[in-house]
Amino acid sequence: NAGVTQTPKFQVLKTGQSMTLQCAQDMNHNSMYWYRQDPGMGLRLIYYSASEGTTDKGEVPNGYNVSRLNKREFSLRLESAAPSQTSVYFCASSEEGQAEAFFGQGTRLTVV
Amino acid sequence: AQSVTQLGSHVSVSEGALVLLRCNYSSSVPPYLFWYVQYPNQGLQLLLKYTSAATLVKGINGFEAEFKKSETSFHLTKPSAHMSDAAEYFCAVSAPNFGNEKLTFGTGTRLTIIP
Repeated sequence: NAGVTQTPKFQVLKTGQSMTLQCAQDMNHNSMYWYRQDPGMGLRLIYYSASEGTTDKGEVPNGYNVSRLNKREFSLRLESAAPSQTSVYFCASSEEGQAEAFFGQGTRLTVV
Repeated sequence: AQSVTQLGSHVSVSEGALVLLRCNYSSSVPPYLFWYVQYPNQGLQLLLKYTSAATLVKGINGFEAEFKKSETSFHLTKPSAHMSDAAEYFCAVSAPNFGNEKLTFGTGTRLTIIP
């Protein structure tokens, strides 16, 4: 009964380093999302994917890229990390865009 | 475009008192509305959702919310607060968009319960 699994749970990067956050869901959902959560700002959508093979920008896409590898997996890449990208990142999935979303446990990323 | 406004970033209530967390939405089409709860160092968990059926929606842990179109509101209530209700609560909206729907969140309300 895994649901949405994110790896890693914690990461510290130096400015300019790159990394990929992994997300996988086992609920056969079509839609997947990446959000970042910052104090006082709620969850802001970075990218989303309404179905396998499609991705679209959300509210704060700059500095990020995504790949919907298959129906299960949706990865988020930081090509050149910046301190402003220090945040908690959440992956989520839903059966369709209007259905309830299921969230992973989050990745706490610190860029120094 | 759609958006959500949560009034009050912090709310404190005494144990046993009424909990009222406010949410107003903006959507050009009939929306779907959600309340999520986040406990410390955890992901978000769905409390309840409105999907154009009954306007009064009951959720888990004794919470409920009423959809009021005329007021564009979806406030969350619980008659009697419990210590375990201390958490952060997020209101969210989604709207039909030709298969390209996405979930938009408010900025959250941190609920503190006073013993």
